[in-house]
Amino acid sequence: DADVTQTPRNRITKTGKRIMLECSQTKGHDRMYWYRQDPGLGLRLIYYSFDVKDINKGEISDGYSVSRQAQAKFSLSLESAIPNQTALYFCATSDSGTGVLGETQYFGPGTRLLVL
Amino acid sequence: AQKVTQAQTEISVVEKEDVTLDCVYETRDTTYYLFWYKQPPSGELVFLIRRNSFDEQNEISGRYSWNFQKSTSSFNFTITASQVVDSAVYFCALSEARGGYNKLIFGAGTRLAVHP
Repeated sequence: DADVTQTPRNRITKTGKRIMLECSQTKGHDRMYWYRQDPGLGLRLIYYSFDVKDINKGEISDGYSVSRQAQAKFSLSLESAIPNQTALYFCATSDSGTGVLGETQYFGPGTRLLVL
Repeated sequence: AQKVTQAQTEISVVEKEDVTLDCVYETRDTTYYLFWYKQPPSGELVFLIRRNSFDEQNEISGRYSWNFQKSTSSFNFTITASQVVDSAVYFCALSEARGGYNKLIFGAGTRLAVHP
């Protein structure tokens, strides 16, 4: 079984709809992240969470919210989806015990979101 | 500003050719980490390697090798005897400590196509 899972893997929605993307991990890591990937732009950080009670905005958090329901679960919500949120979304995890700079982030399989 | 540049947008080679993917970074930090990730056509992001700024030894893993040179701020990735399964987008990333967490700065990626 995959260590980091994301559901759904693909989603088509309409402008104005609220949707939630979910991420679960079995790696036992304390830190979790949400990124979006757009063609030619690499990955950009949306939100990150150090633990259940510590959630922080990344570089492009507008239009998104998150919830850390448990150490192993981190959800991303689009409150009112718009077409320019069409992207590939990745969840990632890391272990703070390895030291801040040395942490390796492990990524889930991604969720392809299309907003019409 | 911290930045990662992958100047090669796309590379096309024939199977069994050697290919080098370039990565140039900018940082003011003296301590940092560099990463390579692979994104095959299926879309997931696969961690390949992590290298810290104090270790300039080249690393080899099977057909993969990495050349880290601080003098030129480069961390290049070579695939020897390329195979069709190596076709993917490859991302170089730089880790810097900001606000107590490992911020990953990604390059835009290099798409490698290996043809039979």
